[in-house]
Amino acid sequence: AAGVIQSPRHLIKEKRETATLKCYPIPRHDTVYWYQQGPGQDPQFLISFYEKMQSDKGSIPDRFSAQQFSDYHSELNMSSLELGDSALYFCASSNIGGGDTEAFFGQGTRLTVV
Amino acid sequence: SQQGEEDPQALSIQEGENATMNCSYKTSINNLQWYRQNSGRGLVHLILIRSNEREKHSGRLRVTLDTSKKSSSLLITASRAADTASYFCATAATLLKTSYDKVIFGPGTSLSVIP
Repeated sequence: AAGVIQSPRHLIKEKRETATLKCYPIPRHDTVYWYQQGPGQDPQFLISFYEKMQSDKGSIPDRFSAQQFSDYHSELNMSSLELGDSALYFCASSNIGGGDTEAFFGQGTRLTVV
Repeated sequence: SQQGEEDPQALSIQEGENATMNCSYKTSINNLQWYRQNSGRGLVHLILIRSNEREKHSGRLRVTLDTSKKSSSLLITASRAADTASYFCATAATLLKTSYDKVIFGPGTSLSVIP
């Protein structure tokens, strides 16, 4: 069965650079969530989208933005990267419109800012 | 408000023993999920329990949910060294005045199973 696909799996960027993380949800899933997990930390909710509209916003810095496209994939854009942005970024999807609130997670993108 | 707070924060047991981890939350939820994460790796979905369920089993895993106490427990029986990992609970709750769900993770329990 298809799972949530995140790309790239690993990314190394320098301070002040920009990074774009991509998330491809499970087919027919209408909701995407983004999480950030720093070293030794629990995953922190960043932002979510339902049917291509932002549905909730968590502790996402102003330097970050995200959107969900017409094909339901989502991108997290991170600008002016800081060392503290180094983390594992997870994307999850669910089928809220279908009445199933179970979230399925991708393997994550490990971002290292040097 | 914070959802999904787990205790203990760290647990160390001998192989073969049972491990119990607890999760508490503060608001009404639609479901609660337990995940495992090996160091620096992805989240592995273990089990989901819906708000109208009280107990679920999956292999050596047993999850209970007490909505009156807003708490859940994950029991791993006959633990193995390979069970060493961090375990997170995550709650899904519908945002007010929307049909959207928000999934929030608790701080996690670090389980060490000593051979």
